[in-house]
Amino acid sequence: NAGVMQNPRHLVRRRGQEARLRCSPMKGHSHVYWYRQLPEEGLKFMVYLQKENIIDESGMPKERFSAEFPKEGPSILRIQQVVRGDSAAYFCASSPPSMRKTQYFGPGTRLLVL
Amino acid sequence: EDKVVQSPLSLVVHEGDTVTLNCSYEVTNFRSLLWYKQEKKAPTFLFMLTSSGIEKKSGRLSSILDKKELFSILNITATQTGDSAVYLCAVDLSSGNTGKLIFGQGTTLQVKP
Repeated sequence: NAGVMQNPRHLVRRRGQEARLRCSPMKGHSHVYWYRQLPEEGLKFMVYLQKENIIDESGMPKERFSAEFPKEGPSILRIQQVVRGDSAAYFCASSPPSMRKTQYFGPGTRLLVL
Repeated sequence: EDKVVQSPLSLVVHEGDTVTLNCSYEVTNFRSLLWYKQEKKAPTFLFMLTSSGIEKKSGRLSSILDKKELFSILNITATQTGDSAVYLCAVDLSSGNTGKLIFGQGTTLQVKP
C-alpha cells in the first residue's frame, strides 16, 4: 500500500507565477489535510477536505490560496501570484474515515519563490 | 488561542543516553495528542494518546499523557544515531467537524556516536 504521494517534491517559481501542488492520499483514505511548514517553525494547518468538499479552511490565507479534492484525481493546493513569503514546505496528510484523526503525511513539496 | 509548546527546542546527547521530550498544551475541546518523528521528509506517526496515565510503548520509545496537567512526554531509551530527528507533538481538536491538528514547534534531537 503506497503511502501519501506528493508532487512535485521541489518547485521553483518566480514572483507572480502560479504554484500547483498535488497530493494523492493513501488508498482507502478519503480525508486530506494540507499543512505548511516555514523554516524553523512547526507545521501549521491550512485546510481539510473530503471528496468534493472543503470541510475546514480556517488556516488558509484569504487571498491567492485555494484547494480542491475532486471526485477523481489528486487533491490540489493552488497558490496564485506567489510571493517570497510563500516559500515553505507544504505537506499533505490523509486519513481513513474510520480513524479520522490518525493522519499520515506525504514527503512534502518544497516551494521556493525567487 | 489554542497552543502547543514543546521543550526543549533542541537537544544533543550521546548514543546510549535516555531522553525525555516534553509537550504541553492549552486547547479547547481536546480529543487526542499525537507524536510524530520528522527526518528529512515526511513526519512519521509514532503514537496517539487519548487517555491519561496509560503508557504507549514501541520498542525503545514510550509516551504518556496527563490530561489533568495538560502535558505529554516522549521517552527514548538507549538512543541511537538513527533517532536523530525533529520530534513533533500535535493536538487534535474535537470541535465541530474540523480535522485540524495543532502542532508544537518541534524538538530537534541530535544523537552523537
